Amino acid sequence: GDSVTQMEGPVTLSEEAFLTINCTYTATGYPSLFWYVQYPGEGLQLLLKATKADDKGSNKGFEATYRKETTSFHLEKGSVQVSDSAVYFCALSEGQAGTALIFGKGTTLSVSS
Amino acid sequence: GAVVSQHPSWVICKSGTSVKIECRSLDFQATTMFWYRQFPKQSLMLMATSNEGSKATYEQGVEKDKFLINHASLTLSTLTVTSAHPEDSSFYICSAGGGIGYEQYFGPGTRLTVT
Repeated sequence: GDSVTQMEGPVTLSEEAFLTINCTYTATGYPSLFWYVQYPGEGLQLLLKATKADDKGSNKGFEATYRKETTSFHLEKGSVQVSDSAVYFCALSEGQAGTALIFGKGTTLSVSS
Repeated sequence: GAVVSQHPSWVICKSGTSVKIECRSLDFQATTMFWYRQFPKQSLMLMATSNEGSKATYEQGVEKDKFLINHASLTLSTLTVTSAHPEDSSFYICSAGGGIGYEQYFGPGTRLTVT
């Protein structure tokens, strides 16, 4: 079945450091890919998405490119801030709207000043 | 943007009692809603999928008689944890899909503690 694999955390960085969180997926078709962020004590928020190969999703300085050849959707940010400290989930959805998401295990990011 | 609310945000109940959690889509009609369960420092595990006006589809291993899901309207789904036990303590999150592409919009979650 479909699955999402994320790098193990926690990831600890200093403010303004470069961030990469790796995400790879396994799917039988052509999924849409997402990154969600969960701040402490809150629900999930959609950070960015890409619906087809070579699409780049971007939001709040974060970027991720849908790479079909490597089945990857790595999250990057050039300069992290303390406020970026959160848990980041990579997810995929295969099929039509209304299909449940399959999540990776999440990666905790901690940014210190 | 699409907003999904959950109520209550936090609930403590005694073992053996039942608890109802509401999930509402505030500014769009959600034909499908999903219920997830999240254990501390772990990912979200899909419990069930509910479509308005029909029975929920439960994931393998989820007891349908224990976790009752009702999707009575296009803006409201409820999850009732019946005869709760301490092992049911968890963070329950709902999401709603309204046909806006493949996105789902998540509620803020409900933390259930069973004593």
